[in-house]
Amino acid sequence: GAVVSQHPSWVICKSGTSVKIECRSLDFQATTMFWYRQFPKQSLMLMATSNEGSKATYEQGVEKDKFLINHASLTLSTLTVTSAHPEDSSFYICSASVGLYYGYTFGSGTRLTVV
Amino acid sequence: TQLLEQSPQFLSIQEGENLTVYCNSSSVFSSLQWYRQEPGEGPVLLVTVVTGGEVKKLKRLTFQFGDARKDSSLHITAAQPGDTGLYLCAGAQDTGNQFYFGTGTSLTVIP
Repeated sequence: GAVVSQHPSWVICKSGTSVKIECRSLDFQATTMFWYRQFPKQSLMLMATSNEGSKATYEQGVEKDKFLINHASLTLSTLTVTSAHPEDSSFYICSASVGLYYGYTFGSGTRLTVV
Repeated sequence: TQLLEQSPQFLSIQEGENLTVYCNSSSVFSSLQWYRQEPGEGPVLLVTVVTGGEVKKLKRLTFQFGDARKDSSLHITAAQPGDTGLYLCAGAQDTGNQFYFGTGTSLTVIP
């Protein structure tokens, strides 16, 4: 089945630094990927839709200069959290749609801790 | 704006009990999925329903899509500790390929 690999699974960084998270579709091409943020025991909050070869579409309230998304190929999307601050600490998850019937396949998530 | 509201938000039950989680909306969906997510992992698809009134069973889990395709339910029989997790419903509308996730139900099954 369709597999999405997300890396790293966890990262600790100092306040003010930038962190890049990668999301790869391993056995299929994903023209669209989605990035979510999730707080403990809460649902997924869509941050942005990543489109291959074009600019990402950000949800209202998500700073595009803060959360840089690049989708340069059909199998790779990256999310860079720039100038990270402790309030950016969260669980970030990517996903790709494999069709309206089959739903989404998700990466395993990245736990970001900013100290 | 959350298109899909789940209830209850939190649920803690004893092993062996039955439970039902609801996913409600005022919008119509062409398909609806249920996912389970364990801590530190991404959600995993459990089932997809596409036809109004459809019922699907997955071992002890029974999923139903409402006749009007606006709501869904997940019933678990004889819950086990391994059922513990965050359950999410997600609906797709006829336009676009985006799924809208429900508010989530955190289930804890106590041995």
